Amino acid sequence: EAEVAQSPRYKITEKSQAVAFWCDPISGHATLYWYRQILGQGPELLVQFQDESVVDDSQLPKDRFSAERLKGVDSTLKIQPAELGDSAMYLCASNWGGTQETQYFGPGTRLLVL
Amino acid sequence: AQKITQTQPGMFVQEKEAVTLDCTYDTSDPSYGLFWYKQPSSGEMIFLIYQGSYDQQNATEGRYSLNFQKARKSANLVISASQLGDSAMYFCAMREGYSGGGADGLTFGKGTHLIIQP
Repeated sequence: EAEVAQSPRYKITEKSQAVAFWCDPISGHATLYWYRQILGQGPELLVQFQDESVVDDSQLPKDRFSAERLKGVDSTLKIQPAELGDSAMYLCASNWGGTQETQYFGPGTRLLVL
Repeated sequence: AQKITQTQPGMFVQEKEAVTLDCTYDTSDPSYGLFWYKQPSSGEMIFLIYQGSYDQQNATEGRYSLNFQKARKSANLVISASQLGDSAMYFCAMREGYSGGGADGLTFGKGTHLIIQP
């Protein structure tokens, strides 16, 4: 069964350092989402891509976060510089787009900023 | 105002009993979708069930069913014959507006921690 891949699974970094997360969606899925989940809460959307284009990044803290999906396949989310409050689970999801509703999630990357 | 409200932070249920997890939502869009996801301690979000706002019948997927009461803006998840492996966090989520029309990220509730006891 096809799955969304994410790496690394765990990341510990010090504040002010740069950190990057990678996501490879299910093959053929045009739409890719990055969510952030703070401990004890539900996920919150950071950015949505349709192929290589950003559809929604209204909740992305653009002073320190950036996201790209250059060839419309895999995607990278970067934080520079990391802050203590960035400690969270970063989840990637994908779907075909169009009228397909269900978003399929990867295993996530747990980030701890010290 | 919260768009998705899950009023049960935690629930303890005996194995083999049925479970109802509550979810209410708030939207003014005529077209929307409602989802339930399961998140075990390992962290991945597992899709369980989907209900579209125009669907006439309640969605069912195996032991999962969604009790959709549109007028009350309620979308409760029912798990029949609970199992030990059902212990996890459960999240209700909503997609507002028409799917495929652009921004359609999900809005999640805060979740319910379900523990199934033997």
